[in-house]
Amino acid sequence: DVKVTQSSRYLVKRTGEKVFLECVQDMDHENMFWYRQDPGLGLRLIYFSYDVKMKEKGDIPEGYSVSREKKERFSLILESASTNQTSMYLCAWGGSSYNEQFFGPGTRLTVL
Amino acid sequence: GENVEQHPSTLSVQEGDSAVIKCTYSDSASNYFPWYKQELGKGPQLIIDIRSNVGEKKDQRIAVTLNKTAKHFSLHITETQPEDSAVYFCAASIDNYGQNFVFGPGTRLSVLP
Repeated sequence: DVKVTQSSRYLVKRTGEKVFLECVQDMDHENMFWYRQDPGLGLRLIYFSYDVKMKEKGDIPEGYSVSREKKERFSLILESASTNQTSMYLCAWGGSSYNEQFFGPGTRLTVL
Repeated sequence: GENVEQHPSTLSVQEGDSAVIKCTYSDSASNYFPWYKQELGKGPQLIIDIRSNVGEKKDQRIAVTLNKTAKHFSLHITETQPEDSAVYFCAASIDNYGQNFVFGPGTRLSVLP
């Protein structure tokens, strides 16, 4: 089975803190994605990467950055967390064209 | 850019009945439409998908239909079971390779025993 793991299931941080969310996939594939999920808004793409050291902005990149130093690891960074970044964050790995994206279980981040 | 709308936002059906969820998209260039199911505490999982050169696709109790002219597609679940209770998301591709999507807002389906 393909596995996508996320570093934490629940995280509570304070406004202004730097937050790292890590995602690790156990397959040797290129495509990785970070989404945030909010009620009534579905899944919105923050950043994605098709290869090591490559990153592309999604629909809502403001306030976020990413790092992909190794193929299997894709990190989402909140440089200075704010309360409007309280959300569920989902990492996904995607295969080649027209194939499934495999999602991790998500990290519920609360920013106080 | 692409916009995907999804209706209804919540749906309750009796076990054994059928459920239909409808989505519309705005970009006529979209050519790949997956459906994901998210169970409580889990990430979404692909249940069925359709490409734009096909009008209908079926997999056991689940089917998806696509009307490219009207730019809408639907998920049909027959003989619903309690384990079908979940949140369902439709999506439309926004690139030429079916690797990047815009998701709809989701439908919470409850199957009542």
